[in-house]
Order: sequence, then C-alpha cells, then structure tokens
Amino acid sequence: QSALTQPASVSGSHGQSITISCTGTNSDVGSYNLVSWYQQHPGKAPKLIIYEGSKRPSGVSNRFSGSKSGNTASLTISGLQAEDEADYYCCSYANSNIRIFGGGTKLTVL
Amino acid sequence: EVQLVQSGAEVKKPGESLKISCKGSGYSFTNYWIGWVRQMPGKGLEWMGIIYPGDSVTTYSPTFQGQVTISADKSISTAYLQWSSLKASDTAMFYCARHEGDGYNTLEYWGQGTLVTVSS
Repeated sequence: QSALTQPASVSGSHGQSITISCTGTNSDVGSYNLVSWYQQHPGKAPKLIIYEGSKRPSGVSNRFSGSKSGNTASLTISGLQAEDEADYYCCSYANSNIRIFGGGTKLTVL
Repeated sequence: EVQLVQSGAEVKKPGESLKISCKGSGYSFTNYWIGWVRQMPGKGLEWMGIIYPGDSVTTYSPTFQGQVTISADKSISTAYLQWSSLKASDTAMFYCARHEGDGYNTLEYWGQGTLVTVSS
C-alpha cells in the first residue's frame, strides 16, 4: 500500500480556516469511516485530534473537525491560532489489519 | 492514567542487533493492540505493524515485513520492536502507540519515542 496523499504544505492567516485533504483509495479511506488525524509539533510525539472520521477526543478544541467524501478525508481547522502551526497526518484503516499514514502536511500560520 | 514508556535512545553500528521496548501501564495491557510507527529524520510517520498482547497475534506493514520483529511479554506489560541486523537506513525515531476504537485505528496514547541511530 502507498501512503495516503496529503498536500505537503498549507498556510492560513490567524483567525482564518484551512482544510487539509487526505486522499486514498477504495481499499482504505473509501471503504471505511475510520480515518484519524494527528498533530505533531517539532520534537514531540503525535497527538490525536480526530478519530473515526469526525470525532474529537476529550480536550481537543472544537475548531478541529473531520469529514469524508468518497476516497478523500478532510481536516478543517477554523479560527487559526499560532499554536496550530505543526505537521498534520491522516491515518486510515486498510485491508487485512493494516494502517496507512498520509505523507504529512506542514501548516504555517501567517 | 494510561502511559506508554519507551526505552532510551540507542546508538548502534551496522550489522548489530537491537530490541527496543514499550511498557504500558494504567490499563489492561492484554486487551489493546499496540503498534509501532517509524519517523525517519525530517520525514513523515510510517505505520510498521501491530500486536495484540493477549495472544501475540501480529500484523506487519508490507514495507516492514521481514525487516523487523514485533513481540510482547504480557507478564510485564511490554511490547518490543527488534532488528537482527541494523542498517544505516534504520536510523529513525520509533514510537509505540495503543490502537483502539472502531477498527482499532484510534491512536490516542503514544510513547515518548525511542531514537535509534545506526552509524559506523
């Protein structure tokens, strides 16, 4: 399986909204509503921000939301803040108990 | 409190073997899948494989099948990732993460990471 496809970078101004896409195939993203999203700041372990497509863990801001259409999952961050500047990764369940990460997206807050 | 605590950084030479660990606490270790994730320097996350400590059922990513071995010792709530012959290209940060939820694709708890450096 190849990595899920994410844009290498996105940027947005403070207070604006951005969306990061995560494109897979009908063997992974398209077949299951099981995409999770992770935020990673430099030198830190990844942090779960969205699971099962659109659910937020306790303590994660409601500025983060997830959705899916066909083979593409999306992460939207509204009201951008400086602390949102980080790398973001999607992860999907695939066949045969395999998981696949996206290549990652670097978010810059202008 | 759920915690995954990984073993410390390692510096090894090519050809050497290595086993790093991930100790779980604060939950029933045998009831949750534990997976390993690689992050090469400056690169993205790569899912390596997963083990169910209750019965040691293991699944590997095709990329890592045959390159590493994932195991667990449920008596001490510890999962392992091991190499029999390291290469310079194995230099990376390795994270363990508890897999849960629907489809076991929710990785809410992560270890702090183990940096492995392979250099002659």
